[in-house]
Amino acid sequence: EAGVAQSPRYKIIEKRQSVAFWCNPISGHATLYWYQQILGQGPKLLIQFQNNGVVDDSQLPKDRFSAERLKGVDSTLKIQPAKLEDSAVYLCASSSIGQGVYEQYFGPGTRLTVT
Amino acid sequence: SQQGEEDPQALSIQEGENATMNCSYKTSINNLQWYRQNSGRGLVHLILIRSNEREKHSGRLRVTLDTSKKSSSLLITASRAADTASYFCATDGPGGSYIPTFGRGTSLIVHP
Repeated sequence: EAGVAQSPRYKIIEKRQSVAFWCNPISGHATLYWYQQILGQGPKLLIQFQNNGVVDDSQLPKDRFSAERLKGVDSTLKIQPAKLEDSAVYLCASSSIGQGVYEQYFGPGTRLTVT
Repeated sequence: SQQGEEDPQALSIQEGENATMNCSYKTSINNLQWYRQNSGRGLVHLILIRSNEREKHSGRLRVTLDTSKKSSSLLITASRAADTASYFCATDGPGGSYIPTFGRGTSLIVHP
């Protein structure tokens, strides 16, 4: 079974520029998550989709971050404009929720450096 | 804010020894999960324990859950150098939602 795919793996941009990340979840997984992981910390959930609907985006900085999941499959996360504090690894995960069990499968992440 | 907090923040042991990590959380949960993260394999799910379970085993891993103390522990027996990684507990959100929340993690180093 193919895992969660993410691209790009690395990205370096200057502050105030924009950037987009792409995620392709495991086939058949209805739930997709985007996390931000700052060095030395645990992953912080940014947004959770169930199919193409948003379950939770309470920790998404909506003034600069946006995410969409078209057709309930692939997803993109965008930052515009980027700030220095956005430097982090952005992780995408997917799960197949059934009976309240939700083991998440994570992609390799995109390491973003904002200079 | 983070629901689960791991303790200790860092742990250094010799190969063959056991490693114990703890996770404390603040509000009621449905499930608690442990994940491992290393540079080679990214974040990998290790084990899930439901709120009505007290102990679970998977190979060299043993997880316990004490809902009265709002805490969980992960025991790795007979550790190997390959166990070197950061370990995170993840709880579903406050109020029993299924929105996962990760702690800051325990960094484990196993010396060969």
